Amino acid sequence: DSGVTQTPKHLITATGQRVTLRCSPRSGDLSVYWYQQSLDQGLQFLIQYYNGEERAKGNILERFSAQQFPDLHSELNLSSLELGDSALYFCASSVDGTGTDTQYFGPGTRLTVL
Amino acid sequence: GEDVEQSLFLSVREGDSSVINCTYTDSSSTYLYWYKQEPGAGLQLLTYIFSNMDMKQDQRLTVLLNKKDKHLSLRIADTQTGDSAIYFCAERDDKIIFGKGTRLHILP
Repeated sequence: DSGVTQTPKHLITATGQRVTLRCSPRSGDLSVYWYQQSLDQGLQFLIQYYNGEERAKGNILERFSAQQFPDLHSELNLSSLELGDSALYFCASSVDGTGTDTQYFGPGTRLTVL
Repeated sequence: GEDVEQSLFLSVREGDSSVINCTYTDSSSTYLYWYKQEPGAGLQLLTYIFSNMDMKQDQRLTVLLNKKDKHLSLRIADTQTGDSAIYFCAERDDKIIFGKGTRLHILP
């Protein structure tokens, strides 16, 4: 158990819908990362937050948005869902978000878009 | 654009050494990482190396970096059945780019 929690564990929805994935970092960690893992694209870094502020941006679509709240939990919002958005979405947290900082991964949320 | 390439599959006998290779394109990468993903689980950071280092050893793990050729390798000595997993190479400058992962299969 990494100490990072993600909810829900599974999510099934229809195309065109909007969903919110939630992540609670390890106690004391200030930085949160979001990743998407799919069979065709592999593991893609989406976005990183540090203490409520966006720190780095990867391959995040405009239909997706994220934020980190004052209590440091984070939410990833996915809208106008397409079949290709079906994937495993991981959240990770680290203490200060620097390159040498170990990221601890949550168990993931499996999103299925029908 | 930036890219990280690794072979998709490696099969090794138990007790032998496993060598997983990776190439990357971004010469400004500051850190390079190896992650392990077991079935149904998230990623676990195994080790990392700074771009100004050539080698790093940590128990059974040895990381070699050839910065000129942009080649990174992970050697696992005395491979055990518990090493069976997918291993991801990743590079980081401001953002993190992962390879598609190498599935390590252990033969008895």
